Amino acid sequence: DAKTTQPPSMDCAEGRAANLPCNHSTISGNEYVYWYRQIHSQGPQYIIHGLKNNETNEMASLIITEDRKSSTLILPHATLRDTAVYYCIVRAFTGTASKLTFGTGTRLQVTL
Amino acid sequence: DTAVSQTPKYLVTQMGNDKSIKCEQNLGHDTMYWYKQDSKKFLKIMFSYNNKELIINETVPNRFSPKSPDKAHLNLHINSLELGDSAVYFCASSQEWGQGFYEQYFGPGTRLTVT
Repeated sequence: DAKTTQPPSMDCAEGRAANLPCNHSTISGNEYVYWYRQIHSQGPQYIIHGLKNNETNEMASLIITEDRKSSTLILPHATLRDTAVYYCIVRAFTGTASKLTFGTGTRLQVTL
Repeated sequence: DTAVSQTPKYLVTQMGNDKSIKCEQNLGHDTMYWYKQDSKKFLKIMFSYNNKELIINETVPNRFSPKSPDKAHLNLHINSLELGDSAVYFCASSQEWGQGFYEQYFGPGTRLTVT
């Protein structure tokens, strides 16, 4: 699996957009970019995923560069409840089970 | 309704004991996982089962034995508990077939403390 690099921590004011970067320069053509988050000590929660195109859902937007070597997760209007550790994961689907390899993630602190 | 549930939520036990953690999912998924999150917060996969068949086994000591009685359940039994087994254990499930990605749903975790 391609390795990902994320900043260890970021701050964001409530109501502002939170932009979380991820570098995955060794990504290969069949590998997806996934984002999960873990709020406090809860189980990780899926946010969004993408292959080539930018993606948007009710939680966030995912912007993937044209060369696919980096991506940015955007929380358009961050709230205090978005305070969490955000994990960027790169993984190819290999058949029956997808093994998610979690790195150290980015700890996002949303403040008033 | 809880999608992925685990019992117990907390488990405190002494070294050398044997304990089990249970996981159930009501999502109709065919693949289930066990992950371990240690004190440094690293989250690592341990096992994966698809339709009751072991698919992933990530160099876990054989003191750990997963058991899948049916597609909806994946239990984790740990023999001869050691201090280093103290961690939070997460169960997850997904429905995976063909090509593509299907999100994994995680349970709330079981915090195991070995004294």
